Amino acid sequence: AQTVTQSQPEMSVQEAETVTLSCTYDTSESDYYLFWYKQPPSRQMILVIRQEAYKQQNATENRFSVNFQKAAKSFSLKISDSQLGDAAMYFCAYYSGGGADGLTFGKGTHLIIQP
Amino acid sequence: EAGVAQSPRYKIIEKRQSVAFWCNPISGHATLYWYQQILGQGPKLLIQFQNNGVVDDSQLPKDRFSAERLKGVDSTLKIQPAKLEDSAVYLCASSRTGQGTTQYFGPGTRLLVL
Repeated sequence: AQTVTQSQPEMSVQEAETVTLSCTYDTSESDYYLFWYKQPPSRQMILVIRQEAYKQQNATENRFSVNFQKAAKSFSLKISDSQLGDAAMYFCAYYSGGGADGLTFGKGTHLIIQP
Repeated sequence: EAGVAQSPRYKIIEKRQSVAFWCNPISGHATLYWYQQILGQGPKLLIQFQNNGVVDDSQLPKDRFSAERLKGVDSTLKIQPAKLEDSAVYLCASSRTGQGTTQYFGPGTRLLVL
């Protein structure tokens, strides 16, 4: 079974600074998908960014970018120019793409933005 | 485009009572998921539907949990009888058919079992 590990229960960053959230995963498959979701106190899961494993290019969405290291099974999220609205729980998730699996989530990282 | 709708948003019940949650996916999304998120953890998949058929329910505690998706659109998740450890947020998500398609989540239902 696939597992997703987020080793940072909590991270803190000054507003306007850059922060990196770590994620590692374990899989024997070669084709899969990785996601970062944001969950603010309202509890709604919001997609931040996704990465297809067959693509070598790292995904980028405005201030959010990933560092995808397939051989190391690492998928970190970098948030540039941190804003107060970025404060939330961030979950890394894995999807095998086989059609019969949901997302496998890590335990999450609580991101605090200090003004 | 309207998002995934869920109701109720909050529910408090006594143990051994029954409870039901409702989910309406994004229009056109054939795949629907129910996740359970216990406090301090990431969501865990309970059941996945493709149209009105079950694709994966391997992690659904079938002695007390049941789910259905009538006509391949709305879905209900039921717990009967509830236990204290069922206290969690129940998230519904939907996606289009196809490998690796993005799952979009509803606001969730927070259940407290006393």
